[in-house]
Amino acid sequence: DQQVKQNSPSLSVQEGRISILNCDYTNSMFDYFLWYKKYPAEGPTFLISISSIKDKNEDGRFTVFLNKSAKHLSLHIVPSQPGDSAVYFCAASAGQTDSWGKLQFGAGTQVVVTP
Amino acid sequence: KAGVTQTPRYLIKTRGQQVTLSCSPISGHRSVSWYQQTPGQGLQFLFEYFSETQRNKGNFPGRFSGRQFSNSRSEMNVSTLELGDSALYLCASSADSDPNYGYTFGSGTRLTVV
Repeated sequence: DQQVKQNSPSLSVQEGRISILNCDYTNSMFDYFLWYKKYPAEGPTFLISISSIKDKNEDGRFTVFLNKSAKHLSLHIVPSQPGDSAVYFCAASAGQTDSWGKLQFGAGTQVVVTP
Repeated sequence: KAGVTQTPRYLIKTRGQQVTLSCSPISGHRSVSWYQQTPGQGLQFLFEYFSETQRNKGNFPGRFSGRQFSNSRSEMNVSTLELGDSALYLCASSADSDPNYGYTFGSGTRLTVV
């Protein structure tokens, strides 16, 4: 069963504008959420994370919002740059009850930033 | 500091053979996780090792196994390869104590079974 869902397989955004990527989850035991970026033929690169005790975390151009009641999180990239073109994965962990080492990934969203 | 190193980068094996993949984590990291990425199933968790002990296991058949050595290096083994085992195998390491830093992934091993 897919416990982490990214329902948008692709997103096209103009350079300089905001990219918003969405992620939904079903397991209420998830207590840690991460976003990764992946280029072809490379491993995923960690971008930003958020604990379930927070509703927002910022790191430079990246902000993650968490809505626990809706079991929804989003990643905002402002401003979008051509180098942001990649596949973005949302991942979740039930670290307190399971293991930090076990991440459940969404299917990914392909972001294309156009000039 | 050096990242997560996976060897080999590419591998071609014949159906029925077995294969061993290696992962060297970031120095000081004690947790190593393995994932399989395929176009159809996405990124799926295989297993996680911490201090030489398997701490968690995903829903994969027993043909998939792994181990971790005292220096935290890890290997995963797939026996009796099937065509469906063709995938990118990724390992990730973490210091474990602080998930704020996420998990650092290697570049993966691309396994092709023919």
